[in-house]
Amino acid sequence: SQKIEQNSEALNIQEGKTATLTCNYTNYSPAYLQWYRQDPGRGPVFLLLIRENEKEKRKERLKVTFDTTLKQSLFHITASQPADSATYLCALDPQGGYNKLIFGAGTRLAVHP
Amino acid sequence: DTGVSQNPRHKITKRGQNVTFRCDPISEHNRLYWYRQTLGQGPEFLTYFQNEAQLEKSRLLSDRFSAERPKGSFSTLEIQRTEQGDSAMYLCASSLRREAEAFFGQGTRLTVV
Repeated sequence: SQKIEQNSEALNIQEGKTATLTCNYTNYSPAYLQWYRQDPGRGPVFLLLIRENEKEKRKERLKVTFDTTLKQSLFHITASQPADSATYLCALDPQGGYNKLIFGAGTRLAVHP
Repeated sequence: DTGVSQNPRHKITKRGQNVTFRCDPISEHNRLYWYRQTLGQGPEFLTYFQNEAQLEKSRLLSDRFSAERPKGSFSTLEIQRTEQGDSAMYLCASSLRREAEAFFGQGTRLTVV
């Protein structure tokens, strides 16, 4: 069956450390993968998109990798801050067509001062 | 443009009643999506419009659900004869093209009592 799996347990880290979140998928061959941030009671906010022919993409303190052989994406936040505390969702478009996204359940990140 | 707007933000209804939600996408976006999100889960795809045409409906969208996008602008999602299992956050998103970020609204939280 097709699945997208993210760490179900919350990730707790100290301010200033690097947070690494994992997204694994099975039985999909996505052309690209996206990461979103979601705060409680609010809609998801787009962070980064990475295509299958890109190994790594960066934006400020964020870095995403995409390994189509392992069927895995890693999402890193360097020099983390308490304001980075949120749920992070990975999403892929299984059909590579019109941006219909299938989301993982998300990983909750808590950055402690 | 203030982004994707959804109304109402919250709706409490009695089981068996009909409810209608509205979504106003970003004005130049011709792609519009509805998702449903329950606690602890990622958003689940419900349906997709390109302009006024509804191009895909998830099997999650039972015959009690109907969505429209007249004139390719705003969209409405109606749920008839609501059930307690319909309680969720209903999210609308829009995007400019495929492989582009999706902009989400703040959602409508439905509680069926």
